[in-house]
Amino acid sequence: NAGVTQTPKFRILKIGQSMTLQCTQDMNHNYMYWYRQDPGMGLKLIYYSVGAGITDKGEVPNGYNVSRSTTEDFPLRLELAAPSQTSVYFCASSYPGTFLSYEQYFGPGTRLTVT
Amino acid sequence: TQLLEQSPQFLSIQEGENLTVYCNSSSVFSSLQWYRQEPGEGPVLLVTVVTGGEVKKLKRLTFQFGDARKDSSLHITAAQPGDTGLYLCAGGNSGGSNYKLTFGKGTLLTVNP
Repeated sequence: NAGVTQTPKFRILKIGQSMTLQCTQDMNHNYMYWYRQDPGMGLKLIYYSVGAGITDKGEVPNGYNVSRSTTEDFPLRLELAAPSQTSVYFCASSYPGTFLSYEQYFGPGTRLTVT
Repeated sequence: TQLLEQSPQFLSIQEGENLTVYCNSSSVFSSLQWYRQEPGEGPVLLVTVVTGGEVKKLKRLTFQFGDARKDSSLHITAAQPGDTGLYLCAGGNSGGSNYKLTFGKGTLLTVNP
């Protein structure tokens, strides 16, 4: 299994441009997540999905959109890039394990710079 | 809003030393996970603890979940340069939305040879 894959690895955007960050998992996980990681700030949840066709906002959804048309794919869309969106973006997935825990598996990340 | 506070934020030690990293909250969590992240990569799960007072060992790493399920610690014995990385704790929310995690800001560990 490849696990969670993300593309691109790096990207530089100009202010106002749009882009889609791709995320694919081959573990048949129901749950998928998008996080951003800023230096010294840990991981902040942007959006998540509990299954195909179902998405919901996390802590910091403004400026982003998502869709989940298949179990495998969970793309993140930036419509009008702003410097505040400069960050490292991680996609993760998890399966419904025990009642008490959902262990997440992360992709390698996309480093995005908006100038 | 549930918060997880990790301490210390930075830790630089010599190879062979022992260390403990802490993860504290005023909230109860149904589960607590520890991840390690190396530069340029995504976090990798190390362990999950779900029972108050639970202790798990992973080679030289010992993880403990507090009795009240509000805190956790990670102890590394005889640290090695390969232990260098960002250690993140993450709590599973009590009360139903366990599929979402609350992450601490992390402890950046550097083990010098």
